[in-house]
Amino acid sequence: AQTVTQSQPEMSVQEAETVTLSCTYDTSESDYYLFWYKQPPSRQMILVIRQEAYKQQNATENRFSVNFQKAAKSFSLKISDSQLGDAAMYFCAYRSSWDSGYALNFGKGTSLLVTP
Amino acid sequence: DAGITQSPRHKVTETGTPVTLRCHQTENHRYMYWYRQDPGHGLRLIHYSYGVKDTDKGEVSDGYSVSRSKTEDFLLTLESATSSQTSVYFCAISESDLGTEAFFGQGTRLTVV
Repeated sequence: AQTVTQSQPEMSVQEAETVTLSCTYDTSESDYYLFWYKQPPSRQMILVIRQEAYKQQNATENRFSVNFQKAAKSFSLKISDSQLGDAAMYFCAYRSSWDSGYALNFGKGTSLLVTP
Repeated sequence: DAGITQSPRHKVTETGTPVTLRCHQTENHRYMYWYRQDPGHGLRLIHYSYGVKDTDKGEVSDGYSVSRSKTEDFLLTLESATSSQTSVYFCAISESDLGTEAFFGQGTRLTVV
């Protein structure tokens, strides 16, 4: 399985500020997708954003955007105008057609705290 | 919300007993997965299925078995539960398109005492 690394176990941001969560991955493949999932205290896994490796344009979903650097194998998540409801565990995930049945391969997660 | 249900939601069991967790979907998705989530480890793949009676091992499959006799049901069995299998277990479903979203169940918290 491909290795996905989230080097920040915990991050903190003030409400209305911007925060960036880091993710790097290791692969020799050219065709893959990257995802960010959010897990609030309810434990539900919620898709935040996805990025296709072939697309150079960075994905954006409202306040969430990514910085995808394919050559550097980096996929960071930027949250703008942070809200209290953004407090959660965030997981970066990799998926390719070569891995186990299209299974998502997750990083260990970053716990995001949002302070008023 | 995607139709995926895990049962039970919580379970406490004794070491050495068999335990079966159930995942049920109403989406007719081809792929189904079992993950376990532990602090400091993220989610790790236990087993997955790519069709009825078609299953394969994931990263942490030792001590677990699975079965899929119908498209909608994917069962995870701990043959003889150990304390190291205390965890939160997630089922997920997906279509085979690489970019499609994987949908997750609510999770099952299993405690082995």
